[in-house]
Amino acid sequence: DSGVTQTPKHLITATGQRVTLRCSPRSGDLSVYWYQQSLDQGLQFLIQYYNGEERAKGNILERFSAQQFPDLHSELNLSSLELGDSALYFCASSPGTSGHSGANVLTFGAGSRLTVL
Amino acid sequence: ELKVEQNPLFLSMQEGKNYTIYCNYSTTSDRLYWYRQDPGKSLESLFVLLSNGAVKQEGRLMASLDTKARLSTLHITAAVHDLSATYFCAVAAYSGAGSYQLTFGKGTKLSVIP
Repeated sequence: DSGVTQTPKHLITATGQRVTLRCSPRSGDLSVYWYQQSLDQGLQFLIQYYNGEERAKGNILERFSAQQFPDLHSELNLSSLELGDSALYFCASSPGTSGHSGANVLTFGAGSRLTVL
Repeated sequence: ELKVEQNPLFLSMQEGKNYTIYCNYSTTSDRLYWYRQDPGKSLESLFVLLSNGAVKQEGRLMASLDTKARLSTLHITAAVHDLSATYFCAVAAYSGAGSYQLTFGKGTKLSVIP
């Protein structure tokens, strides 16, 4: 157990629907990252939050949004789902923004597998 | 845009043999990570390399970083079946406000055959 908890583990839904993925970071970690893993695109960085604030944005679609709450858990909202959104969504956490010092290793959760039919 | 290329993408090797996985990246960075992923599982951190010339070893795996060549290698010594997995390198790029964004390579799927 990495200490990063993701729910649900599996989710099957239909096109056009909306889902919410949840992530609780490792105790003491302030940064949360979301990644999408698919066979054709590999691991794609979506977004990062640090202590409730958005810090970096990657290849996140406008149909997707995320937030980090005061208790540091994070949610990734995926709306108007398309077949191509089927993927494994990982959350990772790290101690924080280490600046130019520290390893700031990302610890990954087990992932949420989304299937859009 | 930071690009990270791994090669090979697929590697089938016999037990007991040695091999090297290469990770090239396109822009300056002084921190590089190696992760392992078993099928259907999460990513497990293997090594963090934080400076030019850094070398880390754990068991049969050794990772090194050459920031001038923008190259990291993961060397496998005397492979065993338990090392079968997908190995990713990830390069950190500064994204501002003290944050680093990791860009992952496509991964190298390693199969160790008895």
